[in-house]
Amino acid sequence: QKEVEQDPGPLSVPEGAIVSLNCTYSNSAFQYFMWYRQYSRKGPELLMYTYSSGNKEDGRFTAQVDKSSKYISLFIRDSQPSDSATYLCAMTTNTGGFKTIFGAGTRLFVKA
Amino acid sequence: GAGVSQTPSNKVTEKGKYVELRCDPISGHTALYWYRQSLGQGPEFLIYFQGTGAADDSGLPNDRFFAVRPEGSVSTLKIQRTERGDSAVYLCASSLRGQSNSPLHFGNGTRLTVT
Repeated sequence: QKEVEQDPGPLSVPEGAIVSLNCTYSNSAFQYFMWYRQYSRKGPELLMYTYSSGNKEDGRFTAQVDKSSKYISLFIRDSQPSDSATYLCAMTTNTGGFKTIFGAGTRLFVKA
Repeated sequence: GAGVSQTPSNKVTEKGKYVELRCDPISGHTALYWYRQSLGQGPEFLIYFQGTGAADDSGLPNDRFFAVRPEGSVSTLKIQRTERGDSAVYLCASSLRGQSNSPLHFGNGTRLTVT
C-alpha cells in the first residue's frame, strides 16, 4: 500500500462546476499538507499549503485536512478551462521535512 | 525573480551511456531536492541536499545514480550505464530552508529518454 493514495482520474467537469479532489494517507506523522498543480510538460507549482487539521481558503481554492480520517481535499469553485491540469497532493512530517511524499495526481479537464 | 532552472530540457541517450543533468536553484535557497516522475505518477524522492552535503540519499535507486552540489548552489545528477528503465522526467526543486514549513519550488524538469 502506498503512503499516499490519490485517484488518477481523469475527472471531466463543465466550466463553472465545483471540483472536489481528494487524497488519503496512512502515515499519522504527516503534519504539513500541500496541493500542487502541474500543467503538461511543466514542473509542479504550489497551490495550497496547510499545517495540521482545518481549512484554508485562497481565492477559488479551499484546502481541507482531516487528520482523524487521514483525508485531505482540495475544492475549486467556479472552475475554468485554465484549471485543466494534474493536481498532486503532497505531505511531509514535522521532523526533517526533507522528503515530501506525493500522490499520483488527478488529471482534471474543465470543458468550456 | 528567476525560478529553478534545469538543463537540458530534453535528453535522449543510448542504453549504457553516461548522462549529467543540471539544476540551478532559486538564489538563496539552501535546500535542493531531486525527484523522478514517471508517466502517470507523482514525483518520487531521490536525494536532498542541505548546503553542499547530501542529507538524505535514500531515494537513489542504485549506485548508478549519484548527485553533487559542490558549492551549495548548482547541483548535477549523474547517471552511469543508463538503462531503458531510467527514462523519466527528472525534477529538481529548491526551498528556502530544509524544513517541513518550507515548500518546494520546482523546475520544469529534464525529460530523459534512454533508447
